[in-house]
Amino acid sequence: DIQMTQSPSSVSASVGDRVTITCQASQGISSWLAWYQQKPGKAPKLLIYAASSLQSGVPSRFSGSGSGTDFTLTISSLQPEDFATYFCQQGDSFPLTFGGGTKVEIK
Amino acid sequence: QLQLQESGPGLVKPSETLSLTCTVSNGSISSAYWSWIRQPPGKGLEWIGFIYYSGSTNYNPSLKSRATISVDTSKNQFSLNLSSVTAADSATYYCARALRYTDSDSWGQGILVTVSS
Repeated sequence: DIQMTQSPSSVSASVGDRVTITCQASQGISSWLAWYQQKPGKAPKLLIYAASSLQSGVPSRFSGSGSGTDFTLTISSLQPEDFATYFCQQGDSFPLTFGGGTKVEIK
Repeated sequence: QLQLQESGPGLVKPSETLSLTCTVSNGSISSAYWSWIRQPPGKGLEWIGFIYYSGSTNYNPSLKSRATISVDTSKNQFSLNLSSVTAADSATYYCARALRYTDSDSWGQGILVTVSS
């Protein structure tokens, strides 16, 4: 199985901050990487697919980059509604696997 | 807007079979991939498997062949059966659609299933 390692596991930030979350795959996955946002008690929401494609309806402050084994999710200016947990997921090979999550908390 | 809704028992006894159904509304199940994903309380996400609308399936080997996903296009539903459950199978179970099997763009609200006698 491909292991997905996210860092940091949590980050404290203020409204307006730029936040960067990284995800590393244990082997190359081309650009088959998705990012999700999950709020407490809610289902995950797709933000980014194919490493850098913004899902319809997602604010442009979210962006993704990377290919191969190293990927980044960036929130350019953190908003109050962005405090949540973020997961990466690889879609290159089965079984599909997720990172452990990064919790974005209020500083 | 596409909607997915999980249904099934919230409590299952050890060694029994967990059975869940996902009803798809405001859209047709006769396209795309239809997935089950679970999340133990306070933990991360685990992909269980998916079924293509035509009936082909793919499962996570970690479940050791205990999972079966089926589709009923006449009812716009797909289902998950997970046999021989243990406490380790206690989790919130989500159904989801994947237009590309690589990621899931629409999710149900989730259903908490507890395995306990």
